[in-house]
Amino acid sequence: RKEVEQDPGPFNVPEGATVAFNCTYSNSASQSFFWYRQDCRKEPKLLMSVYSSGNEDGRFTAQLNRASQYISLLIRDSKLSDSATYLCVVATGTASKLTFGTGTRLQVTL
Amino acid sequence: DTEVTQTPKHLVMGMTNKKSLKCEQHMGHRAMYWYKQKAKKPPELMFVYSYEKLSINESVPSRFSPECPNSSLLNLHLHALQPEDSALYLCASSQDAAFTDTQYFGPGTRLTVL
Repeated sequence: RKEVEQDPGPFNVPEGATVAFNCTYSNSASQSFFWYRQDCRKEPKLLMSVYSSGNEDGRFTAQLNRASQYISLLIRDSKLSDSATYLCVVATGTASKLTFGTGTRLQVTL
Repeated sequence: DTEVTQTPKHLVMGMTNKKSLKCEQHMGHRAMYWYKQKAKKPPELMFVYSYEKLSINESVPSRFSPECPNSSLLNLHLHALQPEDSALYLCASSQDAAFTDTQYFGPGTRLTVL
């Protein structure tokens, strides 16, 4: 079983749609959780950290369920510019060691 | 300014060449990282430097040799690479080497080994 699992997609959605991505992690000792966004041939960029209480940043909402070892990202009112790969990232054990999921590809269309 | 810079952007080298990748940050971060990313795969951690000391080496072959000359600079020396080492090499930095710290990535060096 992979440490961090994501549906690779692609998710093809029209502009304005709401789309949700899920991610599961295998190590119950994982301590910090992030969503990164990566555009084609570019570096990963932090989208948001994920907290147990859930957090929202504009159109983006992230949730963490430690009991189920599950992380989600909800994007409302999708824009063309949201098209990218969304990486679920988990920090476990040794400080600073991040494990990336394989990423979920989102394509927003007109 | 959350900027990590990397040079060169692209590098083509033969298997007998010696080359170096450079990474720089001026955010006062004390942890720096090297990652390798193959096409359609997630980044994989190679090395972690914390306060200019190597703290994690993810069993990387010795043909990759990291160096941290000071707190702002990180180099990756390459020697006798193989074609399968062709990839995007990403540098990142964070405030400290704590698991809660956000890592900021540079644009990467796209390496091709012939």
